[in-house]
Amino acid sequence: ETGVTQSPTHLIKTRGQQVTLRCSSQSGHNTVSWYQQALGQGPQFIFQYYREEENGRGNFPPRFSGLQFPNYSSELNVNALELDDSALYLCASSLGRGQGEAFFGQGTRLTVV
Amino acid sequence: AQRVTQPEKLLSVFKGAPVELKCNYSYSGSPELFWYVQYSRQRLQLLLRHISRESIKGFTADLNKGETSFHLKKPFAQEEDSAMYYCALSVNNFNKFYFGSGTKLNVKP
Repeated sequence: ETGVTQSPTHLIKTRGQQVTLRCSSQSGHNTVSWYQQALGQGPQFIFQYYREEENGRGNFPPRFSGLQFPNYSSELNVNALELDDSALYLCASSLGRGQGEAFFGQGTRLTVV
Repeated sequence: AQRVTQPEKLLSVFKGAPVELKCNYSYSGSPELFWYVQYSRQRLQLLLRHISRESIKGFTADLNKGETSFHLKKPFAQEEDSAMYYCALSVNNFNKFYFGSGTKLNVKP
């Protein structure tokens, strides 16, 4: 059984660019949630995908979008990057929308310059 | 709107001393509360959840709906407890978490 993996681990982008972050869910999990963690803060909920459909969204603008694939892996896309988007992005996978424990990946550190 | 507050950014105690990490929440419905822990260079992981009423690694937490609190306690801290602790709230049982800003626990020898 493999855990949640995220790629890349680090990346640097320029303001205005677009970025795609990837998450492979734990084997058997069909739900993926994305979080943004700014320095010194707790993770903040961006959105959740359950069986390829968005299942709730936090207070983030539309330039944050996502996708979940048939194998339940997921992408987070951010358009028109701003300096404040610099953060650690975490994904968490779980089985079902509310059952079972959520397992977190190690995160992707995004720096916008 | 739901909100989780952890008033202490840093808590330092000596080994063997009792520990209490505070967590208060605001939510109008029936919340599900969790404690997550992040050890150095490791990923965020679940420590305990209030519905299971378990004691994990000697830690316990009781949901007090009157005081809207979910404080994490351990009677005798160990050096290996040093980590970042996050209190989290889930609404509608959907594994969508609202996290506090975290408390760094430092257990000194």
